[in-house]
Amino acid sequence: TQLLEQSPQFLSIQEGENLTVYCNSSSVFSSLQWYRQEPGEGPVLLVTVVTGGEVKKLKRLTFQFGDARKDSSLHITAAQPGDTGLYLCAGVTYNQGGKLIFGQGTELSVKP
Amino acid sequence: DTGVSQNPRHKITKRGQNVTFRCDPISEHNRLYWYRQTLGQGPEFLTYFQNEAQLEKSRLLSDRFSAERPKGSFSTLEIQRTEQGDSAMYLCASSLIGQNYGYTFGSGTRLTVV
Repeated sequence: TQLLEQSPQFLSIQEGENLTVYCNSSSVFSSLQWYRQEPGEGPVLLVTVVTGGEVKKLKRLTFQFGDARKDSSLHITAAQPGDTGLYLCAGVTYNQGGKLIFGQGTELSVKP
Repeated sequence: DTGVSQNPRHKITKRGQNVTFRCDPISEHNRLYWYRQTLGQGPEFLTYFQNEAQLEKSRLLSDRFSAERPKGSFSTLEIQRTEQGDSAMYLCASSLIGQNYGYTFGSGTRLTVV
């Protein structure tokens, strides 16, 4: 069974703090995606990383794909209340029809 | 194209009743996926279609669940004899073959079985 372990599961911080969310697996992924989900809505794609060691930045968000393509991290700098939500990592493995394997999610709360 | 559309957004049903959900993907997307998400968890894969062919079904999909995509466009997911454990958010996503990073999710259908 392919699993993506995401940590931490819950994170409550003050506005302006930095945070990192981790996503780890024993499986190798062809690509890994990060989503943000609001209550009652579907996940919205933030970024896709494809190459081992790849780093992508989206404003205050930095995403990294591990060299072995088994892990990833999301770092948020100077968090804002608008960053509050459920962050999900999801991996695509080879020859699996493109289906996504999701982590358990990280519930982030940023207090003003 | 306004993205992936799912109907209804919410469904409350009595245990034992049948329910059907619909998903309209992005028109040029040939892959369509169904996922189920319970509160506080990540989505779990249920099944996917490539055009009209159903290519994989998860072990989570019991015999009470059936999905179709008759013309390779919209898809339906039916749950027969609903149980309280079926209460969840049912998500649909679509993508293009060969582009394993172009997923678009719908807003989901929230099912509550009472």
